[in-house]
Amino acid sequence: EPEVTQTPSHQVTQMGQEVILRCVPISNHLYFYWYRQILGQKVEFLVSFYNNEISEKSEIFDDQFSVERPDGSNFTLKIRSTKLEDSAMYFCASSGPTTGTYEQYFGPGTRLTVT
Amino acid sequence: AQKITQTQPGMFVQEKEAVTLDCTYDTSDPSYGLFWYKQPSSGEMIFLIYQGSYDQQNATEGRYSLNFQKARKSANLVISASQLGDSAMYFCAMRDGGYSTLTFGKGTMLLVSP
Repeated sequence: EPEVTQTPSHQVTQMGQEVILRCVPISNHLYFYWYRQILGQKVEFLVSFYNNEISEKSEIFDDQFSVERPDGSNFTLKIRSTKLEDSAMYFCASSGPTTGTYEQYFGPGTRLTVT
Repeated sequence: AQKITQTQPGMFVQEKEAVTLDCTYDTSDPSYGLFWYKQPSSGEMIFLIYQGSYDQQNATEGRYSLNFQKARKSANLVISASQLGDSAMYFCAMRDGGYSTLTFGKGTMLLVSP
């Protein structure tokens, strides 16, 4: 069964460093998302991506964040200068292949720890 | 105002019994969708079931069913014949306003005992 994959599973970085989180969505999906979950809290939307551009973003997704689909399979989230409060589980999700298919399938997550 | 409310921080159930996890939602958009996800201790988010606002029948997927009461704005998840592997955090989520992003509730921790 197709699934969303994410790498790495765990990333430890120092405050101020740049990190790139990688995702491979389900191959025929057209909509891609990033969410985050701070430990013990609910899942929060960051950004959605469709047709090679951002379609929606939340207040959390400020100038320190960016997303990219560098090739036909990968979808990345970059945090330019990490802060302690960026420590969280980051989930990539995808949906599609046609409009009206709303189920979002999540990857296993990347746990980001900023020290 | 919260869009998704899950009032049960924790629920306990015995193996083989049924359990209902509550979820109420708030939206003024006539077109919306409701989702349930399971998050085991390993951390991944597992899609369980989806209900669209225009669906005539309640959604079912194996042992999971969604008790959708539109007038009460509730979308409770019913798990029949609970298994030990059902112990996990369960999140209710909604898509509305013509957007595809999900808004999640705070979750309910379900513990299934032998």
